[in-house]
Amino acid sequence: AQSVTQLDSQVPVFEEAPVELRCNYSSSVSVYLFWYVQYPNQGLQLLLKYLSGSTLVESINGFEAEFNKSQTSFHLRKPSVHISDTAEYFCAVKSGGYQKVTFGTGTKLQVIP
Amino acid sequence: DAGVIQSPRHEVTEMGQEVTLRCKPISGHDYLFWYRQTMMRGLELLIYFNNNVPIDDSGMPEDRFSAKMPNASFSTLKIQPSEPRDSAVYFCASSLMDLNTGELFFGEGSRLTVL
Repeated sequence: AQSVTQLDSQVPVFEEAPVELRCNYSSSVSVYLFWYVQYPNQGLQLLLKYLSGSTLVESINGFEAEFNKSQTSFHLRKPSVHISDTAEYFCAVKSGGYQKVTFGTGTKLQVIP
Repeated sequence: DAGVIQSPRHEVTEMGQEVTLRCKPISGHDYLFWYRQTMMRGLELLIYFNNNVPIDDSGMPEDRFSAKMPNASFSTLKIQPSEPRDSAVYFCASSLMDLNTGELFFGEGSRLTVL
């Protein structure tokens, strides 16, 4: 079975400050890892993904996440947040060869002006 | 290309009524997923289809829920009879699994309120 834990339900941060959203997963086989973002009253959109290769993956809007197999983590980071980053962020895991994607409970990022 | 299209966007109904939610996946996608989102339980997978065939319905909460996919471009999620605890946002997502990457494309959701 696969599962995802996002310990922080809400993270307030001042504009232009750095942020880290934590994600830990469990799976007995190789995994694919994802971060999705949900803006108010919208569906989820893919932010970035780790499939294989380099453990550091980046998005087009400055977010990055690092796959750490020994710590079973996939934390999301941004060195300087913007007001427009205010949204809910979901970490997700998919085990290789298995089509079900399991989501964490989400972290609400609130950027304070 | 149009994204995943869901209807209705909002539905308010009374307990005991039948509710039907509809989804049109992205053309060419071979997987379709139904998720439910609530404050208490987060995002839960209800059921998913591959090439119109239900693969895993273990997340369907009870027999009041049913889902169908009569063809590659249409799926429904039905609740009969509805109850107040069914109030949630229901998302449909589709995917093309040829590379086994698992990226999902979500619709904007159907917000259901059962009074």
